[in-house]
Amino acid sequence: AQKVTQAQTEISVVEKEDVTLDCVYETRDTTYYLFWYKQPPSGELVFLIRRNSFDEQNEISGRYSWNFQKSTSSFNFTITASQVVDSAVYFCALIETYGGATNKLIFGTGTLLAVQP
Amino acid sequence: DAGITQSPRHKVTETGTPVTLRCHQTENHRYMYWYRQDPGHGLRLIHYSYGVKDTDKGEVSDGYSVSRSKTEDFLLTLESATSSQTSVYFCAIRLQGRDEQYFGPGTRLTVT
Repeated sequence: AQKVTQAQTEISVVEKEDVTLDCVYETRDTTYYLFWYKQPPSGELVFLIRRNSFDEQNEISGRYSWNFQKSTSSFNFTITASQVVDSAVYFCALIETYGGATNKLIFGTGTLLAVQP
Repeated sequence: DAGITQSPRHKVTETGTPVTLRCHQTENHRYMYWYRQDPGHGLRLIHYSYGVKDTDKGEVSDGYSVSRSKTEDFLLTLESATSSQTSVYFCAIRLQGRDEQYFGPGTRLTVT
């Protein structure tokens, strides 16, 4: 069965520190998609990134970077030089079935990141 | 902005009463989803829809029903609310040809 594990329940850092949020997934399929979402204190869910199982190239977007490693079934998220505005709950998610109606997101339990000034 | 609204945004109701939550989208997206968010569980899929009158169950569908009589509205009904259904409910849409889902602002439901 498909499963997403975010073992870090809460992380607290001081502003300007780098922080890595871990995500480990389980799937039997060879075609799947991985996602990260951000949920700030205001409560909305914000889509950050999508990565498909055929593309192991790491991605960087400003202070955010993502490291996808199929060998360890991990899709980790690093924030460089963290800021108070990065404080949020971050969710990793998986879709196992490509396309069609069955694009059901499987979420991890989330990591609460608190960035202290 | 995926043009998703949810109503009501907050609701308090008593055990045993029926409750309907509405998800409305303005861009004719085919796929719509209802999730609930609970501490320690992340978000879990309740029901989803792949077109008008086409719906199916997710992993936590017991106690919930849905309807989609027109493209823009996806309704979630709790026939007889229980305290275990106290949660934050999110609606989501998926754009055609895309895999990520975009979420509405959520509805906080408290069942007393």
